[in-house]
Amino acid sequence: QSVVTQPPSVSGAPGQSVTISCTGSGSNIGAGYDVHWYQQLPGTAPKLLIFVNSNRPSGVPDRFSGSKSGTSASLAITGLQTEDEADYYCLSYDSSLSGWVFGGGTKLTVL
Amino acid sequence: QVQLQQSGPGLVKPSQTLSLTCGISGDSVSSDSAGWNWIRQSPSRGLEWLGRTYYRSKWYNDYSVSVKSRITIKPDTSKNQVSLQLNSVTPEDTAVYYCARLNRGDYWFDPWGQGTLVTVSS
Repeated sequence: QSVVTQPPSVSGAPGQSVTISCTGSGSNIGAGYDVHWYQQLPGTAPKLLIFVNSNRPSGVPDRFSGSKSGTSASLAITGLQTEDEADYYCLSYDSSLSGWVFGGGTKLTVL
Repeated sequence: QVQLQQSGPGLVKPSQTLSLTCGISGDSVSSDSAGWNWIRQSPSRGLEWLGRTYYRSKWYNDYSVSVKSRITIKPDTSKNQVSLQLNSVTPEDTAVYYCARLNRGDYWFDPWGQGTLVTVSS
């Protein structure tokens, strides 16, 4: 059971939009710690997609956006493309655990 | 840019010690603006942060409570690499292990090593 929870799966058709939620608690996201997002393609290491809630590293398309409010955060993907099909993970810091915690991951299927 | 190259055995026997290394290029393990982390991923436990080492005038370590009694992360300044040792392994420690960099003052990991699948089995 992850400290930070995500829906196991989401899906959408090419061109559509999806949102992936990341829900924490008062010792991590709710305590003010930022949320970061990773994209993981099969057989590869996670790749940084969003840092500090809503910032994109260079090279990440602006179809990807992030937000944070209260004890939750969201990753939105617009104009879905087949290459977006991957697993997505959120990351935050937890003061009770004195360490970093990942969400359980969400598998995005582009229908 | 910083690149991390992992190495180590893919098979470890139960009760023995898992040992992996992470070679660093484009940065120094002794940099006072970086921290060097180990993270693992398994179907049962998902992505799990294991610990880190970093240098701020002296060496520091932080470890996850889940492995604190069994883990050692050490820098090797002569080879510019960082190592992971996990003692008394069980099949539950079977996972893909990653090293990753943490910038000082930041709370996200980037970049990551390529990952090493370690299977604990007799």
